[in-house]
Amino acid sequence: QQPVQSPQAVILREGEDAVINCSSSKALYSVHWYRQKHGEAPVFLMILLKGGEQKGHEKISASFNEKKQQSSLYLTASQLSYSGTYFCGTDYTGKLIFGQGTTLQVKP
Amino acid sequence: EPEVTQTPSHQVTQMGQEVILRCVPISNHLYFYWYRQILGQKVEFLVSFYNNEISEKSEIFDDQFSVERPDGSNFTLKIRSTKLEDSAMYFCASRDTSLRYGYTFGSGTRLTVV
Repeated sequence: QQPVQSPQAVILREGEDAVINCSSSKALYSVHWYRQKHGEAPVFLMILLKGGEQKGHEKISASFNEKKQQSSLYLTASQLSYSGTYFCGTDYTGKLIFGQGTTLQVKP
Repeated sequence: EPEVTQTPSHQVTQMGQEVILRCVPISNHLYFYWYRQILGQKVEFLVSFYNNEISEKSEIFDDQFSVERPDGSNFTLKIRSTKLEDSAMYFCASRDTSLRYGYTFGSGTRLTVV
């Protein structure tokens, strides 16, 4: 029942773009995105509540395709500070279930 | 900015001992959660708590686990008889009625069972 993320890992150079995908076999009503730095807590990035919704957060944005039960996180012109593990999460029955995570490493 | 506070940050315990992990959620939040993350793995849901009772629990949350909100501010997770496989980072989280700001996680308690 957990959402599935792809890819598992991404290595980028500073300034490059990345896309992280999240899909579910169950109907999605909302999608959360979090970033976790090594040894720290997950930090909320954004939530998408409606199908077709797009949101932005600095150079990080996301889209939500309710029909396809998918969401994508877009990181543009990546910075070193973007490194970390990105989790999507779906709020089934009032509890947040995370995907397995995508590790992003941005190199100078 | 309001935050979720967890204590202790690190706890080492002997197998079979009881541990209590403590959390102070954000004051106006009504929904509380415990999650677990084994090193290098994903963040797993343990239990949700609302209106002074458990809303939902996962398969991991067996009879060895319990949660309590002993007063208006603290939220605790007790593991009655720890096993080696309980070694993990435990995160407390809270949220308000609206999902608009997502879940706010505490900085975690690293539990090491030896």
